[in-house]
Amino acid sequence: DAGVIQSPRHEVTEMGQEVTLRCKPISGHNSLFWYRQTMMRGLELLIYFNNNVPIDDSGMPEDRFSAKMPNASFSTLKIQPSEPRDSAVYFCASSLGLSIGAFFGQGTRLTVV
Amino acid sequence: QQQVKQSPQSLIVQKGGISIINCAYENTAFDYFPWYQQFPGKGPALLIAIRPDVSEKKEGRFTISFNKSAKQFSLHIMDSQPGDSATYFCAASRPNAGNMLTFGGGTRLMVKP
Repeated sequence: DAGVIQSPRHEVTEMGQEVTLRCKPISGHNSLFWYRQTMMRGLELLIYFNNNVPIDDSGMPEDRFSAKMPNASFSTLKIQPSEPRDSAVYFCASSLGLSIGAFFGQGTRLTVV
Repeated sequence: QQQVKQSPQSLIVQKGGISIINCAYENTAFDYFPWYQQFPGKGPALLIAIRPDVSEKKEGRFTISFNKSAKQFSLHIMDSQPGDSATYFCAASRPNAGNMLTFGGGTRLMVKP
């Protein structure tokens, strides 16, 4: 298995633009997580999906952020409009249920200028 | 509010030495405590995990020690190798929320040859 696949690996965008990050979880995994990593705040959970349904989005910073999981093999995290403070590395992770360790993708480094 | 505090922020150890990283948590409801290892440009990877019904878990050169009464847990890396140089994160989660993780701030470990 190729693991969790995220795209793009790097994204540079101008403030105010829409940004869409993509994730393909490991086949067969039914839980998907989006995390954000910054120097100031470390690793933060943004949202958790189970069987394609959003279960906990309490970590989503504000309404500019939205996430979808239209099917078991694809999820998106969208920021509209983007702001410089959104600059971070965004990780997608998947797991089979909650009790087994999560596998992280390589992340998308987002820079908003 | 930082619910999982990790120390030290950085650590330098000689090859063959023991690396010790400590974490303390506040939420007594936490019942799953994994450690993740992250190399530059990569996503975190699960290293080892423990639940509070045991006081110690060992996997190869990696050992977790858990002190429930003190709400502390630590990672010991025996016979540390240069290839262990990475950032290590402790994490915790609530019951039935295994991979909805609250991460510590991370420890950057450097093992000198």
